[in-house]
Amino acid sequence: DQQVKQNSPSLSVQEGRISILNCDYTNSMFDYFLWYKKYPAEGPTFLISISSIKDKNEDGRFTVFLNKSAKHLSLHIVPSQPGDSAVYFCAASGKSGGSNYKLTFGKGTLLTVNP
Amino acid sequence: NAGVTQTPKFQVLKTGQSMTLQCAQDMNHNSMYWYRQDPGMGLRLIYYSASEGTTDKGEVPNGYNVSRLNKREFSLRLESAAPSQTSVYFCASSATGSRNTIYFGEGSWLTVV
Repeated sequence: DQQVKQNSPSLSVQEGRISILNCDYTNSMFDYFLWYKKYPAEGPTFLISISSIKDKNEDGRFTVFLNKSAKHLSLHIVPSQPGDSAVYFCAASGKSGGSNYKLTFGKGTLLTVNP
Repeated sequence: NAGVTQTPKFQVLKTGQSMTLQCAQDMNHNSMYWYRQDPGMGLRLIYYSASEGTTDKGEVPNGYNVSRLNKREFSLRLESAAPSQTSVYFCASSATGSRNTIYFGEGSWLTVV
């Protein structure tokens, strides 16, 4: 039972355009969401997060939107750059047995930004 | 600024062999984690340690054991390696729980033949 779903395995966009990566979740206990970026042969690195009390968080070219009623979040990258080409993982956490230690990850979306 | 360091980076094992993946962090984090990444499967939590002296099973703990040796170090042991354990393993740490940013190591590529 996949609790965090990234239904698009890959996405290709042109440099300068907007990249939109989507993520859906099923567990209503999730209340904190994160996006990680991963280059080949490296570990994932934190990109941006959002708490469930917000519906938007912005950091430079990166904006995450959260729609709690739809259990959906998206990452917008504007403008997209070739260096943004990587795998993007959506992750979620929430109270689990009284703790909130565990992140649940989606399967990732490979973003390719073409020059 | 080492962050999370894990060793070895690459390892080939024969079925039935044992090995230990070592992980150390220098950020004074309380929580540490072991994940595995398989093609098309994302990152799955094997074990985690919320604080020194405690360990708990994650999503896919079978075939693994862990030791939180001290606050800095969290090792993952494969007692009898199986081909299904061929994967990329990531150690990670965070200040306290997942509300704080989780920092990952660079990964360990393990092949079991």
